[in-house]
Amino acid sequence: AQSVTQPDIHITVSEGASLELRCNYSYGATPYLFWYVQSPGQGLQLLLKYFSGDTLVQGIKGFEAEFKRSQSSFNLRKPSVHWSDAAEYFCAVGAYSGAGSYQLTFGKGTKLSVIP
Amino acid sequence: DAGITQSPRHKVTETGTPVTLRCHQTENHRYMYWYRQDPGHGLRLIHYSYGVKDTDKGEVSDGYSVSRSKTEDFLLTLESATSSQTSVYFCASQRGRAGDTQYFGPGTRLTVL
Repeated sequence: AQSVTQPDIHITVSEGASLELRCNYSYGATPYLFWYVQSPGQGLQLLLKYFSGDTLVQGIKGFEAEFKRSQSSFNLRKPSVHWSDAAEYFCAVGAYSGAGSYQLTFGKGTKLSVIP
Repeated sequence: DAGITQSPRHKVTETGTPVTLRCHQTENHRYMYWYRQDPGHGLRLIHYSYGVKDTDKGEVSDGYSVSRSKTEDFLLTLESATSSQTSVYFCASQRGRAGDTQYFGPGTRLTVL
């Protein structure tokens, strides 16, 4: 079965600083990988996804992520954080279950706080 | 964004009462999902559907049942609510292919007293 680990529960950065959120996954085949963002009291919004091709993927709001198969990682980055980026970020891996149906498995999330 | 609505958005109920949460999508997506979100646990899959009348269990399905009689509607039922089912519930839908974006509803905050 697939799994996702987000090692950092809470990260605080200053506005304008760079950001990297870590994600490690476990899956036997080539994974479908996703980053979602959740603002307080809201649902989840897709930032970016990867399933083939260029290992550096660009997403919305200036985010990017790099897939590294050798490290089983899919870290999310942003060169300059804005106060509006304060939210919770979830990494997820998509895979087929034993029953042949597709589902996502989420990490536990990383909460990002931004200092003005 | 896909049109996914959830109702009710907030509900307070008492232990032992039945509760039904509704998810409605207007995108004709094949797959629909119910998750619960709890602090420190992220999102955990309760049940999902891969077509009308086709459903399967997720990671935390005990105490929950689902039904899907139409493509657009996916119902989650707590037959006899317990305090451990106090949570925020999210519905999601996906067109069908692996790797497609999964779109989320706004969530339902359920409190079981």
